[in-house]
Amino acid sequence: DAKTTQPTSMDCAEGRAANLPCNHSTISGNEYVYWYRQIHSQGPQYIIHGLKNNETNEMASLIITEDRKSSTLILPHATLRDTAVYYCIVRGSSPFAGNNRKLIWGLGTSLAVNP
Amino acid sequence: DTAVSQTPKYLVTQMGNDKSIKCEQNLGHDTMYWYKQDSKKFLKIMFSYNNKELIINETVPNRFSPKSPDKAHLNLHINSLELGDSAVYFCASSFSTGSSYEQYFGPGTRLTVT
Repeated sequence: DAKTTQPTSMDCAEGRAANLPCNHSTISGNEYVYWYRQIHSQGPQYIIHGLKNNETNEMASLIITEDRKSSTLILPHATLRDTAVYYCIVRGSSPFAGNNRKLIWGLGTSLAVNP
Repeated sequence: DTAVSQTPKYLVTQMGNDKSIKCEQNLGHDTMYWYKQDSKKFLKIMFSYNNKELIINETVPNRFSPKSPDKAHLNLHINSLELGDSAVYFCASSFSTGSSYEQYFGPGTRLTVT
């Protein structure tokens, strides 16, 4: 039931930017785009989220298209430690209203950063 | 200074046994969650508590019973364990108010039922 579509896997050279795409064509006006990642054998880790403006933090940048139907997570200088599965999730503004109450996880994109 | 901790990290047990997994968070969050990640790597929510009140209860066998003694703790008890219960169980926590609700996850408990 995931509301997002991501490529199954991607490769990136160490030190280069990793651009991970996500399609969320059915996103509604009050839904945010969240990105998490899961490094092998660890718990998922929050990366960034946004509504319609581009966002940047110490981990990554999030670029959301003007129509909000897709977004791209950018890791500006990928390192070997960024090898992980990256999940793109959409959810509403309140975690306890209707279907916003839970995150729907897909299979994500498995990113391999190569030396 | 671990944010979300779970015990035990590994749990190997036989079918029919009863076991518990414990979770604690020191982030001051008011909401906690239990997730199950199966062998295909799908992460599915099982339960969520907000201020010790059960707010999400997915289609989970009633052999699974969560308990939240206070806002910082959420335990999961499993009765009559079955082979299909083998998975990694993750605890998570978050705020329920404010501008964002990012969840912070524990390291997981790998349960193997033999």
